[in-house]
Amino acid sequence: AQSVAQPEDQVNVAEGNPLTVKCTYSVSGNPYLFWYVQYPNRGLQFLLKYITGDNLVKGSYGFEAEFNKSQTSFHLKKPSALVSDSALYFCAVSLASGGFKTIFGAGTRLFVKA
Amino acid sequence: DSGVTQTPKHLITATGQRVTLRCSPRSGDLSVYWYQQSLDQGLQFLIQYYNGEERAKGNILERFSAQQFPDLHSELNLSSLELGDSALYFCASSEEGRAGYEQFFGPGTRLTVL
Repeated sequence: AQSVAQPEDQVNVAEGNPLTVKCTYSVSGNPYLFWYVQYPNRGLQFLLKYITGDNLVKGSYGFEAEFNKSQTSFHLKKPSALVSDSALYFCAVSLASGGFKTIFGAGTRLFVKA
Repeated sequence: DSGVTQTPKHLITATGQRVTLRCSPRSGDLSVYWYQQSLDQGLQFLIQYYNGEERAKGNILERFSAQQFPDLHSELNLSSLELGDSALYFCASSEEGRAGYEQFFGPGTRLTVL
């Protein structure tokens, strides 16, 4: 069965510092991987996705993520954090082989301190 | 604004009652997904429809049902409500129903069961 793990409930970082939000996955085939962000009292917003090709994927608001097949990871990164990046981040996976479900991780709360 | 609309925004009801949540997908999107978000369970996939047909089922209780109408809007029906059904219910839509397509989330319906 496919699954997604976000090992950190919370990540704290100072404004201007680089940030990383971790995600690992487990699937039986080739994965499609996604990152979404949720601001308070809002629905989730799509940030970026990996389908195939270049392992480094660039997305909205300066975020990027690196697909690592050997480590089954898809960590979200940003070179310089902003206070406005503080939100709940979800990693998600769906199967490239035709499965229709998307499984979301439990979420990681990012706090960026000024 | 994702283009996905959900009504009502808030709903307060009593145990044992039945409610209907409504979702209109983004223009042109054929697939609709329903999710339940609670503090202790995270984001749980309930069900997916594609062009009026049920495509995938997740952790949806038998007391819950959904449908997608010819105009592509969807309704989620929750019956015999229990205190534990209190949660945020999100609808999302995507262009296609296959893996690899990002989902666009509505603002959610906050259900409170008293």
